[in-house]
This record gives sequence, C-alpha cells and structure tokens, in this order.
Amino acid sequence: SQQGEEDPQALSIQEGENATMNCSYKTSINNLQWYRQNSGRGLVHLILIRSNEREKHSGRLRVTLDTSKKSSSLLITASRAADTASYFCATDPDKLIFGTGTRLQVFP
Amino acid sequence: GAVVSQHPSRVICKSGTSVKIECRSLDFQATTMFWYRQFPKQSLMLMATSNEGSKATYEQGVEKDKFLINHASLTLSTLTVTSAHPEDSSFYICSARRRGSSSNTEAFFGQGTRLTVV
Repeated sequence: SQQGEEDPQALSIQEGENATMNCSYKTSINNLQWYRQNSGRGLVHLILIRSNEREKHSGRLRVTLDTSKKSSSLLITASRAADTASYFCATDPDKLIFGTGTRLQVFP
Repeated sequence: GAVVSQHPSRVICKSGTSVKIECRSLDFQATTMFWYRQFPKQSLMLMATSNEGSKATYEQGVEKDKFLINHASLTLSTLTVTSAHPEDSSFYICSARRRGSSSNTEAFFGQGTRLTVV
C-alpha cells in the first residue's frame, strides 16, 4: 500500500527556476524522507526530516514538514538540467512506503 | 555512503522459467532488506521485508510462493521469481539499512533489475 501522495505528478521548468513538490501522507510518522530516482535506476536518499522538525536544508534543497496537515514539501532552488528525475517521499520508517512521486523535467 | 549492489541489472527470460535476483550490501551488514516492484512511471510498491535468518514478511497481495525471498547472510538477499510470466515483467529494486541502525536513518538502494518475460 502507498502511504503518501505527491503533487504535482509531473512538473516542467526551465533551468534556474525553483521546483516545489508536495507530499501528503496518511498516518503518524517518526520521520519523512525524500528520495530521487533517475530513469531506470535505483533511488538516492536526499534528506530526512524528523517529526519534531519543521524545516531542513541541504544545499539547494529545502524540506518542510507540517505534521498537523500530514504534509511535506521539497523545494529545489536554482534548478539544473541534471535535476531531471522522479522524486519520492517515503514514510513508515520500518518499511519505507513510498508516495506516488513527482516527475521533474528541467529544460536547459 | 554505503553501497548496495543488485545483480543482474537486466534479464530476459522465457515464460515458465525462474529468475534469481541478488542484492548485496558491499560495505555494511544489513539485517533487513526490502524488495520493491516498480511499474513504468509509477511508484515503488513494497513486496516484502527480508530478515536475515528468518522468513520474509510479505505485503498483502504478494504471492510468497511466486516471489521467493532468501536472506541467508547479513550481506545477501535474493529474490527468485518462480515460473515467470509476462505479467511479472517489471523493475525490481532492493534496499537495505545498516545493521543496528534505527528507523531514523536512510535506506540504501540497489540499481534495480529490469525483468522481461517473453
């Protein structure tokens, strides 16, 4: 079963623009993680935010978490063509259940 | 970072045959590994949780006799798709957490296996 849903399902932007992806989940969590997947490849961990945190930064990534709304957002600033990938949120720490994902296309 | 190696990356097999996919943690021990299946342009669906030295825990709707999982050591888990059929064609991905790590840590993923059953 999928724990999270993400929107938008697909996002196309120009290089230099910011990209925002949202994730909503259903049950209480200990933490929420964001992963990136290049086409036909495995997943790479981007960032983990704990349930008692509201915001976290890592390089050009900014993640927010609102446990009252059961939602999280991932912001990629100053996007690059190399950021083109699918992005997933994941919850349920024991099993890592993934959201539906957002396919991001960054045009040079 | 930790490395998880998945092999083979691509496999084509005939309908009715069995295929084994290996997932190895190269530089760490993993008491728990996870197997996912992914259809094109869709998310990862958890199939089962593989625990070293014990039986795997399958998610609802996943046939355990169809998808045999063995976790014989702290660095190796295998998924065998038995009597494969074209509908089993998919992208299979494994992941692992370090032994002793809490749930508040990242998981490391293999590169995936593209299975095509003809």
